[in-house]
Amino acid sequence: GAVVSQHPSWVICKSGTSVKIECRSLDFQATTMFWYRQFPKQSLMLMATSNEGSKATYEQGVEKDKFLINHASLTLSTLTVTSAHPEDSSFYICSARVPGPPFYEQYFGPGTRLTVT
Amino acid sequence: ILNVEQSPQSLHVQEGDSTNFTCSFPSSNFYALHWYRWETAKSPEALFVMTLNGDEKKKGRISATLNTKEGYSYLYIKGSQPEDSATYLCACVTPISGTYKYIFGTGTRLKVLA
Repeated sequence: GAVVSQHPSWVICKSGTSVKIECRSLDFQATTMFWYRQFPKQSLMLMATSNEGSKATYEQGVEKDKFLINHASLTLSTLTVTSAHPEDSSFYICSARVPGPPFYEQYFGPGTRLTVT
Repeated sequence: ILNVEQSPQSLHVQEGDSTNFTCSFPSSNFYALHWYRWETAKSPEALFVMTLNGDEKKKGRISATLNTKEGYSYLYIKGSQPEDSATYLCACVTPISGTYKYIFGTGTRLKVLA
């Protein structure tokens, strides 16, 4: 149980275009999902917390107008990188919080490698 | 800023060797510690979650200990096998602004040579 999928697994796009990444909880409902980003040789860094039916909460330094998050259902959250630039090239990974105690368990998707040319 | 550090960054061991890695974290505001095993192109696989000082967990040849007072956790692999090759991540769970956040280390990349 507690499987999270992510699509696409990798994407190459041109500078200035937008890219949408999907995160799905396959066998449970997730009211809260998280989006992380990892640059080479760095740790996974939380970008934003996505709450079903409400606005996402962004971490300091993450532009909400550039990284649009939509959590329209209990099993799907999307991250759209708008007007992507080469510096947005990174590894993006989502996680979903399993409902119920202990209230902090997260299960991760396999991640999306974004390359902006 | 909370910082979680892992060492070593990478290591190569021979099949059959035992090895261990370290995860260091701030001891204040600690709630839980996760260890994950992460293979390329797959989701990080949860190995252990520990909450109490002195916790010890074991799963087959892999075990982990936790010291919350001094802020470190060890992961041990006994008799390493090639299939143990992966990146091992630790994440410190901490309550921040009314929610629980994961602060990750950079991982230890293990390569087990046959």
